[in-house]
Amino acid sequence: DTGVSQDPRHKITKRGQNVTFRCDPISEHNRLYWYRQTLGQGPEFLTYFQNEAQLEKSRLLSDRFSAERPKGSFSTLEIQRTEQGDSAMYLCASSLDSLEGGYTFGSGTRLTVV
Amino acid sequence: AQSVSQHNHHVILSEAASLELGCNYSYGGTVNLFWYVQYPGQHLQLLLKYFSGDPLVKGIKGFEAEFIKSKFSFNLRKPSVQWSDTAEYFCAGSIYNQGGKLIFGQGTELSVKP
Repeated sequence: DTGVSQDPRHKITKRGQNVTFRCDPISEHNRLYWYRQTLGQGPEFLTYFQNEAQLEKSRLLSDRFSAERPKGSFSTLEIQRTEQGDSAMYLCASSLDSLEGGYTFGSGTRLTVV
Repeated sequence: AQSVSQHNHHVILSEAASLELGCNYSYGGTVNLFWYVQYPGQHLQLLLKYFSGDPLVKGIKGFEAEFIKSKFSFNLRKPSVQWSDTAEYFCAGSIYNQGGKLIFGQGTELSVKP
């Protein structure tokens, strides 16, 4: 594995449904980040983990959003009761503690809420 | 509040023209700064990063950036652009030793005409 993998690549869901996305980081990276990107904007920070501990959550992350990284490896991001405003690209990134090499991003999951 | 701003939303150049994309940050302390590129349909890729030391950093594909602390700037430059440089460019920063959360600018779309 040479990169960050995200699944699924695309998700179309009806408003009010729950969705879950998965991120598999680079195996040596102990930090994992979730971002959200909408058209014409830069990625917005949502939350990040150091190993299995969730260390920071953005105020953008409402109670409908929850993220986990149970064993310090892969992570999931769940959105409950989706709204049309949740439509965006959800990006995952990972890094070493030292940030050597910067952050490696996955290709993202594009969510469309109809 | 911490922020990163990019001056140009869309830049159009002809091949062989020189490029400079502006980036300013607002942090009080030591920062790590990054430039990422997103080619059409691809994920974010690291172009270059600045942590400390020589304020002129060189990255991949002939790009370079200069950290000017007095101006809170980290502008991206390339002496001669190619059509293949058509992409969106994002400047980002993180506060040194504070968790590694990246704050992104809004992005600059670069279109290079052959």
